[in-house]
Amino acid sequence: DAGVTQSPTHLIKTRGQQVTLRCSPKSGHDTVSWYQQALGQGPQFIFQYYEEEERQRGNFPDRFSGHQFPNYSSELNVNALWLGDSALYLCASSSSGRDEQFFGPGTRLTVL
Amino acid sequence: GENVEQHPSTLSVQEGDSAVIKCTYSDSASNYFPWYKQELGKRPQLIIDIRSNVGEKKDQRIAVTLNKTAKHFSLHITETQPEDSAVYFCAASTPPRNTDKLIFGTGTRLQVFP
Repeated sequence: DAGVTQSPTHLIKTRGQQVTLRCSPKSGHDTVSWYQQALGQGPQFIFQYYEEEERQRGNFPDRFSGHQFPNYSSELNVNALWLGDSALYLCASSSSGRDEQFFGPGTRLTVL
Repeated sequence: GENVEQHPSTLSVQEGDSAVIKCTYSDSASNYFPWYKQELGKRPQLIIDIRSNVGEKKDQRIAVTLNKTAKHFSLHITETQPEDSAVYFCAASTPPRNTDKLIFGTGTRLQVFP
């Protein structure tokens, strides 16, 4: 039973570029949440996807967008990258109706 | 807005001693409180959680207590071991759907010295 997986592991981009990060939820889970974790900080909620729709959004600009596919996997897209977007991006999966969220290993994004 | 404060930011204990990490939340409607352990370079791992209809929960050496009136919850680790060294995050979630966003504290770096 695979846990939450994310790809790629690491990514280096330059300012102004666009990036796509991917997440596959734990088997049996239908909800995917994305978080940004800056160095030395707690994760910050970006948004959550359920039934292929964005269900809730945190305080992030429209440059951050996402998608959920029929198999429950999800993508996070970030346009017009800033230096400040450098962080660990975590996805967490959960099952609707249950509280627990389980995190993937994250994608370390560096913007130069 | 919603906020979770966590203290202390760093905690050093001798192996075998107890460690306590405290969090305070702002939204009185919050009713789910998980704790995550994050080792260096690893994913956050859910180690224990508590819901607002329970005052205390224990799992072997770790326990969590909740005081809804004061909006405080705490993580207690007894008989600490070097492998307990990590960053610990508390979080809070608000109904109606507790699978919605988690609001995290700023983390506590726990060091257990042999």
